[in-house]
Amino acid sequence: LAKTTQPISMDSYEGQEVNITCSHNNIATNDYITWYQQFPSQGPRFIIQGYKTKVTNEVASLFIPADRKSSTLSLPRVSLSDTAVYYCLVGESLDSSYKLIFGSGTRLLVRP
Amino acid sequence: GAVVSQHPSWVICKSGTSVKIECRSLDFQATTMFWYRQFPKQSLMLMATSNEGSKATYEQGVEKDKFLINHASLTLSTLTVTSAHPEDSSFYICSARDDTEAFFGQGTRLTVV
Repeated sequence: LAKTTQPISMDSYEGQEVNITCSHNNIATNDYITWYQQFPSQGPRFIIQGYKTKVTNEVASLFIPADRKSSTLSLPRVSLSDTAVYYCLVGESLDSSYKLIFGSGTRLLVRP
Repeated sequence: GAVVSQHPSWVICKSGTSVKIECRSLDFQATTMFWYRQFPKQSLMLMATSNEGSKATYEQGVEKDKFLINHASLTLSTLTVTSAHPEDSSFYICSARDDTEAFFGQGTRLTVV
């Protein structure tokens, strides 16, 4: 299972763009990269998933370089409600029995 | 989108008693579900993989006789914490996947007094 490394914490201010980078040096060919968000006392929530290059949805963008050894989650114009823990996971997306192993995550604090 | 529901959201029990937590996939069938435990300020720790119709697979260090898992149908898995002790107090989260992504329950806060 590919191991991920993220910054433990990040601070930002409302309205700023936040980029959280995750390192996954031993990612496998079949692995996808998925980011989850977790608020206190709630289960994780899916944010975005990608395999290579760039993926964008209504809440975030995911940038993946050609070697796929890292990825960057970009949150445009964060608000106070984006304060949460963000987890980067790698694994086989299409295998329903594939177990997701969580790393330490990045605790994002958005200040007014 | 697909939803995974846990019940109860929180429970307080006396030391030595057993507590059952249910995890349901509401609009898809899940042959595999996962149970996690999370202590304050820590990440989710995978406890076991729940397999429909067969025995659960436990991660190293997780006592299978203490954390009983039953996956009797394609939409329901249960985790029973037997003879609970204060150190079992934690946030328990289940997860299930459809064809594309994993969905997580809202979690169950267990407090053993």
